[in-house]
Amino acid sequence: EAQVTQNPRYLITVTGKKLTVTCSQNMNHEYMSWYRQDPGLGLRQIYYSMNVEVTDKGDVPEGYKVSRKEKRNFPLILESPSPNQTSLYFCASSPLPSGPNTGELFFGEGSRLTVL
Amino acid sequence: AQKVTQAQTEISVVEKEDVTLDCVYETRDTTYYLFWYKQPPSGELVFLIRRNSFDEQNEISGRYSWNFQKSTSSFNFTITASQVVDSAVYFCALSGTYNNNDMRFGAGTRLTVKP
Repeated sequence: EAQVTQNPRYLITVTGKKLTVTCSQNMNHEYMSWYRQDPGLGLRQIYYSMNVEVTDKGDVPEGYKVSRKEKRNFPLILESPSPNQTSLYFCASSPLPSGPNTGELFFGEGSRLTVL
Repeated sequence: AQKVTQAQTEISVVEKEDVTLDCVYETRDTTYYLFWYKQPPSGELVFLIRRNSFDEQNEISGRYSWNFQKSTSSFNFTITASQVVDSAVYFCALSGTYNNNDMRFGAGTRLTVKP
């Protein structure tokens, strides 16, 4: 089954404790992206990747890191989480060259993160 | 830059009523794509429709219909005879073709359908 898998789905952590949210897709998609969803703000892009070893900042990259060492995986790293990073996070993928513009994004199920 | 406005933050209707969710967009691109996604209470994002800027034909899929009007930069979504299962947050999104990473989402409209 084609899917994007995120882990963990729910996490409560404390300020400053490094954490990683994993994202894996089995569709051989080149493009992957991370979004955060906050009430009244919709989905905002954190980072994206066009292919292995190619990553770039989205609209709200502060406080986050990513890596793309393998095509299928795109982990989101919070080196020192803060309460303002409490949010619902979505990973998404899409094939290129048709890309996320012409085809729909395939989303993971979301990871709800709470930073105390 | 792309921008999507969903002015309706929350809508509440009674089952079987028709409801329209508004979406207004801004773009300088001549070619672009518009999307609607549904987010039910379980939290996942479900793709509903994609429409390209050259196709202004309205689309109907069962109880769902979409009205794309370039003249008013709108891509509205109507649910006919709403059902409780339609309760969700609905997002409108816009992407241009300048690069492969230009998708922007609206803030979402929370629809509650009461029995």
